[in-house]
Amino acid sequence: DAGVIQSPRHEVTEMGQEVTLRCKPISGHDYLFWYRQTMMRGLELLIYFNNNVPIDDSGMPEDRFSAKMPNASFSTLKIQPSEPRDSAVYFCASSYLGQGGEQYFGPGTRLTVT
Amino acid sequence: GQQVMQIPQYQHVQEGEDFTTYCNSSTTLSNIQWYKQRPGGHPVFLIQLVKSGEVKKQKRLTFQFGEAKKNSSLHITATQTTDVGTYFCAQQRPGTYKYIFGTGTRLKVLA
Repeated sequence: DAGVIQSPRHEVTEMGQEVTLRCKPISGHDYLFWYRQTMMRGLELLIYFNNNVPIDDSGMPEDRFSAKMPNASFSTLKIQPSEPRDSAVYFCASSYLGQGGEQYFGPGTRLTVT
Repeated sequence: GQQVMQIPQYQHVQEGEDFTTYCNSSTTLSNIQWYKQRPGGHPVFLIQLVKSGEVKKQKRLTFQFGEAKKNSSLHITATQTTDVGTYFCAQQRPGTYKYIFGTGTRLKVLA
């Protein structure tokens, strides 16, 4: 398996623009997580899905952030409008409960909002 | 947001020295996971501890889960330059599948 795939790997955008981050989890995994990593706040869980259903979105910073999982092999995290404080590395991770919950992380998307 | 404290925040050691990082919680945990993140990379799963007092070993790495399931430690014996990176614990909130990551300990190994 290719592992968790994220795109794009790098995104530079201007304040106010819409940003869409994409994730393809490992086939067969039933949980998908979106994390954000910054120096100041560390690694934060934004939202997670189980079988494509959002379970906990309490970590989503505000209404500018939204996440979807239309099917088992694709998820998006959208920021609209983007702000400079959204600059961070965004990781997607997937796991399979039957394997004990080990999370497999994607390579991340480094977002810079100017 | 919620944060889990790890100590120390940074550790510089000479190659061959031992290293330990600690992860503490104020509440009883279902289980705890440990991850390693190399500079510029993504977190990679190392191990999961579930039972009270559990000790697991992976070559030079020893993981412990406290008797009260409120703290955990990772010990590396005779560090090597390949051990460089940030080590995170991740705590599962009881009754959920939500993991809260610790603040991390950044390890630097001097050759």
